[in-house]
Amino acid sequence: GAGVSQSPSNKVTEKGKDVELRCDPISGHTALYWYRQSLGQGLEFLIYFQGNSAPDKSGLPSDRFSAERTGGSVSTLTIQRTQQEDSAVYLCASSPLAGGRNEQFFGPGTRLTVL
Amino acid sequence: GNSVTQMEGPVTLSEEAFLTINCTYTATGYPSLFWYVQYPGEGLQLLLKATKADDKGSNKGFEATYRKETTSFHLEKGSVQVSDSAVYFCAGGSQGNLIFGKGTKLSVKP
Repeated sequence: GAGVSQSPSNKVTEKGKDVELRCDPISGHTALYWYRQSLGQGLEFLIYFQGNSAPDKSGLPSDRFSAERTGGSVSTLTIQRTQQEDSAVYLCASSPLAGGRNEQFFGPGTRLTVL
Repeated sequence: GNSVTQMEGPVTLSEEAFLTINCTYTATGYPSLFWYVQYPGEGLQLLLKATKADDKGSNKGFEATYRKETTSFHLEKGSVQVSDSAVYFCAGGSQGNLIFGKGTKLSVKP
């Protein structure tokens, strides 16, 4: 079946602009995660959606970052007033069950470059 | 708080060499532990996992055993191949999100 898809695959923007990154999880997966992978770094957790519960936003680095998940499926990560330090690969993952004990299935990522 | 620490790379080995990548975790309780792999140009994919103490995860010749006494989940392979060249991430999770190590880049030379 179809895996997790993300769009765009690459995004180049100018400092100060807003960007939206999209994630289509695997159909039926209740949990959805956003991570950020900076050059030479591991994966940094950003936000986690679990079914209809309030999202866990504890990893968002600043109030310029926000995310929503509509209808329990597609998710959009928005970065306002982008800064050069926001340049990274943004990864989305979904899981059939909520919680960190379960395998997460990752999308290919969106590479964001802020000039 | 919870954390995962893995050996820093890069690691360069010759084909058929033995591989060990160390991983230790700090967590409240006993998390599930994972090794994910990222091949060049591809997304992360699960390599193996273990959900409780003394469990051994295995896949593609790789193995890792969940050692509660040493809070470790070291990745091993007896004979690496060029096709194993990738970045390997150790991760742990119980509730909520996974905690990832920083990744270890492995290069296998023919």
